[in-house]
Amino acid sequence: GAVVSQHPSRVICKSGTSVKIECRSLDFQATTMFWYRQFPKQSLMLMATSNEGSKATYEQGVEKDKFLINHASLTLSTLTVASAHPEDSSFYICSARVPTNEQYFGPGTRLTVT
Amino acid sequence: DAKTTQPPSMDCAEGRAANLPCNHSTISGNEYVYWYRQIHSQGPQYIIHGLKNNETNEMASLIITEDRKSSTLILPHATLRDTAVYYCIVRVPPAGTALIFGKGTTLSVSS
Repeated sequence: GAVVSQHPSRVICKSGTSVKIECRSLDFQATTMFWYRQFPKQSLMLMATSNEGSKATYEQGVEKDKFLINHASLTLSTLTVASAHPEDSSFYICSARVPTNEQYFGPGTRLTVT
Repeated sequence: DAKTTQPPSMDCAEGRAANLPCNHSTISGNEYVYWYRQIHSQGPQYIIHGLKNNETNEMASLIITEDRKSSTLILPHATLRDTAVYYCIVRVPPAGTALIFGKGTTLSVSS
């Protein structure tokens, strides 16, 4: 299947700093990528849909000014957590849609804000 | 997408078959049943999907009842590495929209 990577795999930052997470499709072009967040012992929650060359579509309750998504190329989408706080600590997962419309997931990024 | 109901947890002995049920009584005629799993601290992994016929691949088998209101994912010989959260998702075949995950079933395989 298609391969999706995320970088970094884990990051620890201090409260108030911004953190950027990269999601790359390694062997295919992805016009659409999705970002999910997962708190401990909970299911994945969709945060936003990222379309190459256009603004992301955010789910209800997700602050677009705090979770900045950029999809500048067909193989890269980035999620920037602006002014991160401890409550933003979570597991962030991206997925990419292949031309046949199936989704492949990245390995996830563990964010810890101290 | 139709709503699904899964037991929160199940246990299975290593080497035995793991049968994970899913109820989807409101499924519509053009919706497929998809199964994904998530091993701890990893991204979800696709397992199998089907419409109404039983399906089998190298990972698992999917049995869908004749009325399509429920299905069972079968891992024929569970191993410790199959310990994960298993998600049953009902949706129109790849529609381009994001997958929406429910709570899933936590399968614990023990030796």
